[in-house]
Amino acid sequence: QQQVKQSPQSLIVQKGGISIINCAYENTAFDYFPWYQQFPGKGPALLIAIRPDVSEKKEGRFTISFNKSAKQFSLHIMDSQPGDSATYFCAAKRDNFNKFYFGSGTKLNVKP
Amino acid sequence: DGGITQSPKYLFRKEGQNVTLSCEQNLNHDAMYWYRQDPGQGLRLIYYSQIVNDFQKGDIAEGYSVSREKKESFPLTVTSAQKNPTAFYLCASSIAYSGNTIYFGEGSWLTVV
Repeated sequence: QQQVKQSPQSLIVQKGGISIINCAYENTAFDYFPWYQQFPGKGPALLIAIRPDVSEKKEGRFTISFNKSAKQFSLHIMDSQPGDSATYFCAAKRDNFNKFYFGSGTKLNVKP
Repeated sequence: DGGITQSPKYLFRKEGQNVTLSCEQNLNHDAMYWYRQDPGQGLRLIYYSQIVNDFQKGDIAEGYSVSREKKESFPLTVTSAQKNPTAFYLCASSIAYSGNTIYFGEGSWLTVV
């Protein structure tokens, strides 16, 4: 059973637009939700993360919105730029457990 | 510089051969992981290790083997039993248990010819 479901699989956004990627999780014991950004041929790198005790976290143009009751969280990229074109993965984890559960990834293409 | 080093970056394997992918980290992390990524696919966990001389199977361990003899090293062997080994392989590490950030290497491309 897939623990973290991510959508859409791919996304095309015009420069300056808002990119939105959604994730849903099953296990209510998860208490850490990071987003990773991966450029072609590179390993993923941590972008931003949130805990379920807050509903929103913002870092620059990147915002995570978290809905604990719906077991959903999303990444919003404001003023999307061509340099944001990458694959984005959501993930979930329990504190004091080593296993990370990743979504299937979203390939974002920001057109100039 | 601290980080995770994977080698080789590109590797070609003939059918029936075993190959070993190297992963070394100098982050002093206890936990290490191997993921497989197929084009357009997500990250699938192959094996992970929480401490030296201990490792657990992930979701797709069949056809793979690992060892963890040193804290900084976690090599992955892709055996001939792995029927479809062509993929991008990612090694990662984290602080064990309390570590909530997983750090990835640059990856290794394996192609079967």
